[in-house]
Amino acid sequence: DVVVTQSPLSLPVTLGQPASISCRSSQSPVHSDGNTYLNWFQQRPGQSPRRLIYKVSNRDSGVPDRFSGSGSGTDFTLKISRVEAEDVGVYYCMQGSHWPWTFGQGTKVEIK
Amino acid sequence: EVQLVESGGGLVQPGGSLRLSCAASGFIFSSYWMSWARQAPGRGLEWVATISQDGSAKMYVDAVKGRFAISRDNAENSVYLQMSSLRAEDTAVYYCSAYCHSRSTFWGQGTLVTVSS
Repeated sequence: DVVVTQSPLSLPVTLGQPASISCRSSQSPVHSDGNTYLNWFQQRPGQSPRRLIYKVSNRDSGVPDRFSGSGSGTDFTLKISRVEAEDVGVYYCMQGSHWPWTFGQGTKVEIK
Repeated sequence: EVQLVESGGGLVQPGGSLRLSCAASGFIFSSYWMSWARQAPGRGLEWVATISQDGSAKMYVDAVKGRFAISRDNAENSVYLQMSSLRAEDTAVYYCSAYCHSRSTFWGQGTLVTVSS
């Protein structure tokens, strides 16, 4: 199985400041169709997961533009340009190119 | 409004069986692969099984192969997860998802399965 590793696992941030989460895949997450199905999810406390970013850098509908994704090869990054209180939760990187699709361990974002 | 409503969770003894259901509405159900994911208490997320639009293709994570079976009924806009030979490590919140790599994706609120004697 493809192992997805995130860092850091805990990220205390100050409101209004930027935040960045790294994700590394044990194999290239390039699908046989040529697409890179590397995604980012947010899970707020007590809620279901919600996808924020798909195919490395595409924001899902309704996702604020302070969230951005980037990366290539096996290294990817989720950035929040200015953290807001509603951004508290756990963020997961996920590869959807090779079954079983796999998530990273999660990064807990909290306000300092 | 899109809705995915899971049901069927509960407490079951080790070795027992349970059938989860997920009723979908508000989107074209038959155009989506449907999947089940789970989250053990205080743990991360894990995809469990996925089924193609017409039900002809099914994939499972190794941990549940031979014990779980995913199915769907496009006429009823529903997807199911038949779970048997349940183990303590299957204890989790099970989420139904209409997951698409390049389109909007939808998740249910989850149903808790507890395997314990």
